[in-house]
Amino acid sequence: AQSVSQHNHHVILSEAASLELGCNYSYGGTVNLFWYVQYPGQHLQLLLKYFSGDPLVKGIKGFEAEFIKSKFSFNLRKPSVQWSDTAEYFCAVIPWGGGSYIPTFGRGTSLIVHP
Amino acid sequence: DGGITQSPKYLFRKEGQNVTLSCEQNLNHDAMYWYRQDPGQGLRLIYYSQIVNDFQKGDIAEGYSVSREKKESFPLTVTSAQKNPTAFYLCASSRGTGPNSPLHFGNGTRLTVT
Repeated sequence: AQSVSQHNHHVILSEAASLELGCNYSYGGTVNLFWYVQYPGQHLQLLLKYFSGDPLVKGIKGFEAEFIKSKFSFNLRKPSVQWSDTAEYFCAVIPWGGGSYIPTFGRGTSLIVHP
Repeated sequence: DGGITQSPKYLFRKEGQNVTLSCEQNLNHDAMYWYRQDPGQGLRLIYYSQIVNDFQKGDIAEGYSVSREKKESFPLTVTSAQKNPTAFYLCASSRGTGPNSPLHFGNGTRLTVT
């Protein structure tokens, strides 16, 4: 079965610092990739997605992610974080070819941004 | 506004009792899902349904049951057989059943069993 690894479980940054959250998956074929965010007290929502084409994708609130196929990675980045970026971030993968396209989620990364 | 409604937000039950969590969507989405969220474990799939009157087990279906009698409703029953039921439960839906459909989530139900 495929797995999704998020190596950073807890990240603490000061405002204006740069952010990179790692996401690696184990499936060898074609995949669709997602990052979701859960702000405190709010529902999980889509941050950005990659299906095909330019491996650098941009999402909401200044976030971007780069798909590196050779590394099976889809890392999330933001050049300068804000206090309002404090949230939990989840990477998700949908592999093609399985018949039922159900996303597998990573364990999540808790980001705290100090003002 | 279209969305997913989960109720109640907090639920308390005694051990040995079955409890049903509600999930309703008015997005006209075909597929619906139940996930369980535990600290440090991310989201784990309990059950999913891609069409009315049909559903499939996820990774951790033991001790849970579901029904999908209507397109907009996908209730989850946590039975007394579930050994560790205290958790945060998330319902989600997606427009289609293909790989290009991101999930839309409800606000969750926090279940505490004592």
